[in-house]
Amino acid sequence: GAVVSQHPSWVICKSGTSVKIECRSLDFQATTMFWYRQFPKQSLMLMATSNEGSKATYEQGVEKDKFLINHASLTLSTLTVTSAHPEDSSFYICSAKNPGYRTSSVQETQYFGPGTRLLVL
Amino acid sequence: GQNIDQPTEMTATEGAIVQINCTYQTSGFNGLFWYQQHAGEAPTFLSYNVLDGLEEKGRFSSFLSRSKGYSYLLLKELQMKDSASYLCAFMDSNYQLIWGAGTKLIIKP
Repeated sequence: GAVVSQHPSWVICKSGTSVKIECRSLDFQATTMFWYRQFPKQSLMLMATSNEGSKATYEQGVEKDKFLINHASLTLSTLTVTSAHPEDSSFYICSAKNPGYRTSSVQETQYFGPGTRLLVL
Repeated sequence: GQNIDQPTEMTATEGAIVQINCTYQTSGFNGLFWYQQHAGEAPTFLSYNVLDGLEEKGRFSSFLSRSKGYSYLLLKELQMKDSASYLCAFMDSNYQLIWGAGTKLIIKP
């Protein structure tokens, strides 16, 4: 169990366009999903925490009007990069907590989607 | 404050053993995680320690000392496919993961 999918896996777009990335928990309900960004050779940077049915919590320095997050159901969260620019080119990864899945009492493990690589030209 | 530190890069030989260290500082602690990340892919969960001691899982083991703010990931019988970045992360009092920058492990034949 605990499979998370992301779509699309690759996006190439022109500067100024908007890009939507979907994150789905396939075999469990995720009340909380996380969106990360990772630049080459750098660690994961948490962008925002997405809670089902409520507004996302953004980390300091992340523009909420630029990175729109919608967590409309227990299995789907979307990240929309609005008016993308070349500096937004990065690897975007979502993760989800599976509160119902226990292995060695690990209730807070985050399970990651495969990531979406965004290239803005 | 909070911080977490791990070596940037390590090199080891196929078939050997390697230990990747991670040190952290935090006032609230709810466990330490190790993830493996191959280039261009998302991280995959390896281990979780919340109590002191060694947790063994096949070729991989993880150790935690809460009093020292220290953890290590031990990889035995190294295989070429183990070449990857290894990320340690601790969970703070708000159940948020604080990530290290990752250790790139290079395996040589």
